[in-house]
Amino acid sequence: TQLLEQSPQFLSIQEGENLTVYCNSSSVFSSLQWYRQEPGEGPVLLVTVVTGGEVKKLKRLTFQFGDARKDSSLHITAAQPGDTGLYLCAGASYNFNKFYFGSGTKLNVKP
Amino acid sequence: GAVVSQHPSWVICKSGTSVKIECRSLDFQATTMFWYRQFPKQSLMLMATSNEGSKATYEQGVEKDKFLINHASLTLSTLTVTSAHPEDSSFYICSARGGGWGEKLFFGSGTQLSVL
Repeated sequence: TQLLEQSPQFLSIQEGENLTVYCNSSSVFSSLQWYRQEPGEGPVLLVTVVTGGEVKKLKRLTFQFGDARKDSSLHITAAQPGDTGLYLCAGASYNFNKFYFGSGTKLNVKP
Repeated sequence: GAVVSQHPSWVICKSGTSVKIECRSLDFQATTMFWYRQFPKQSLMLMATSNEGSKATYEQGVEKDKFLINHASLTLSTLTVTSAHPEDSSFYICSARGGGWGEKLFFGSGTQLSVL
């Protein structure tokens, strides 16, 4: 059972399209992180959001943390083939002693 | 960011043998290390959390006698898969936090274990 559910599980889009990935939970987290993972490699941190309602932008990527700190979204504008990968959200427990990962979203951007 | 080194990158072993995977924080002291398991095209499942100098805390359903974790120093944690079976074949990833990096996690590059 995943503590964090991501949707959609799979997404295949054309280059230039926009997309949003959602990360939802019934639990409250002290912070939430988004990662991207390439096959055969460890996840790479994209961003950490801490405050409820917080919005962070990283070039074409926009991350939002829900007001109640239970959910988050990742929006990619004008997707590029280089954005292809497995996107994972991860929630941190209040003492930062545990990090639980979402179910993952496999994104494929076709040129 | 900080660097976490994981070795080996891949290992093939016979059923019944034991395999040790190392996770090292190269440029910071990792007060906490996490071990995850990942099946193809799936997310990371937390197996256990280890704090330096104390016993690891295992997640529900993870056999501690099967997956031995040792965190003897602030820069090294090891995961030993004992008496490996084909169903233990998976991608194992470690991560570490500490050294003033707050809640940030740094990941190793993973170990692909194949048990024949």
